[in-house]
Amino acid sequence: DADVTQTPRNRITKTGKRIMLECSQTKGHDRMYWYRQDPGLGLRLIYYSFDVKDINKGEISDGYSVSRQAQAKFSLSLESAIPNQTALYFCATSRTEETQYFGPGTRLLVL
Amino acid sequence: KNEVEQSPQNLTAQEGEFITINCSYSVGISALHWLQQHPGGGIVSLFMLSSGKKKHGRLIATINIQEKHSSLHITASHPRDSAVYICAVRSREGAQKLVFGQGTRLTINP
Repeated sequence: DADVTQTPRNRITKTGKRIMLECSQTKGHDRMYWYRQDPGLGLRLIYYSFDVKDINKGEISDGYSVSRQAQAKFSLSLESAIPNQTALYFCATSRTEETQYFGPGTRLLVL
Repeated sequence: KNEVEQSPQNLTAQEGEFITINCSYSVGISALHWLQQHPGGGIVSLFMLSSGKKKHGRLIATINIQEKHSSLHITASHPRDSAVYICAVRSREGAQKLVFGQGTRLTINP
């Protein structure tokens, strides 16, 4: 079984809908991250969390919110989806500042 | 100007060729990472380095801190090496976050 899982893997939604992307990990890491990837651009950090009580904004947090329900779970929500949030979303985990382990990604299309 | 620049953006080569992908950055860093993104989208970490050189199989990563430059080399390239290679740096100031380059798309033809 994969160490970092994301659900759903693909999602099509309409403008204005609220959606949630979920991330679970079995690595026992405290640190979790949400990134988005757009064609021609590098991965950009949306939010990160260093433990259950810690939530921090990344460079592109507007329009997103997160919830760290447990050490193993970190969810990303789009309160009211818009077309420019169409992207590939990755969750990642790490034990320290070192290697990050990525989930398989969620491909989101907002119509 | 992006803090992390990779070159080339796209690279096509024949099987067996020696491959070099470059990464330049503009900030002081505590570490530099090389990652590989498979055609299916999955991302795996290849190296983390803060000085010198690391080798894993046919992959070699080097870094020159003074010149703010890193290279990823692939020896005896193979079609299965086809992927996007991503450079990311952890700056000393924002040590909690990685800043990513835009990636280099490598295609190795048989």
